[in-house]
Amino acid sequence: TQLLEQSPQFLSIQEGENLTVYCNSSSVFSSLQWYRQEPGEGPVLLVTVVTGGEVKKLKRLTFQFGDARKDSSLHITAAQTGDTGLYLCAGKDYGGSQGNLIFGKGTKLSVKP
Amino acid sequence: SQTIHQWPATLVQPVGSPLSLECTVEGTSNPNLYWYRQAAGRGLQLLFYSVGIGQISSEVPQNLSASRPQDRQFILSSKKLLLSDSGFYLCAWSADLSRAQETQYFGPGTRLLVL
Repeated sequence: TQLLEQSPQFLSIQEGENLTVYCNSSSVFSSLQWYRQEPGEGPVLLVTVVTGGEVKKLKRLTFQFGDARKDSSLHITAAQTGDTGLYLCAGKDYGGSQGNLIFGKGTKLSVKP
Repeated sequence: SQTIHQWPATLVQPVGSPLSLECTVEGTSNPNLYWYRQAAGRGLQLLFYSVGIGQISSEVPQNLSASRPQDRQFILSSKKLLLSDSGFYLCAWSADLSRAQETQYFGPGTRLLVL
């Protein structure tokens, strides 16, 4: 069974600080996606990474896919209160016949003013 | 552009009552459709997925069922709800199973409370 472990589970920081959250697995994924979810709403896609070692930037957010495509990280620079939410990573089964995504349990980020 | 709708947004039901949650997608044809359940703001558990009309695959044995009567309509049902069915139900769609960068897009969710 493929698993995605996210760490930390909870993170509370002050506005302006930097942070990194991690998504790790012992399995290889063909792609990995990051979502942000706010309370009572559906997850919203932030980015999809496909190539090992790939780095994508979305304003203050930097996403990296590990060289072996088993792990990923999300770094936020100068966090803002609007970054508060649940960050979920999801990996697509490598070589699988179905497009099912494996989700981590998420990192709950709270950015305080 | 594509949009995905879910209703109702919130539902409170007694134990033993039936359930019907609906999901519709606009702006795309032949989408892959998914039902997830999320407990306490945590990770998502895949319940069902469908690659076409009448084609349903179940990931977790339970008292829930799913149907896809039309190309862009996905329904989650139960004949008798259990307390453990409470949770946040999310519908998602995707365009293509085969691409490595295939992405799932989520609806707004339905919060179900079984009392």
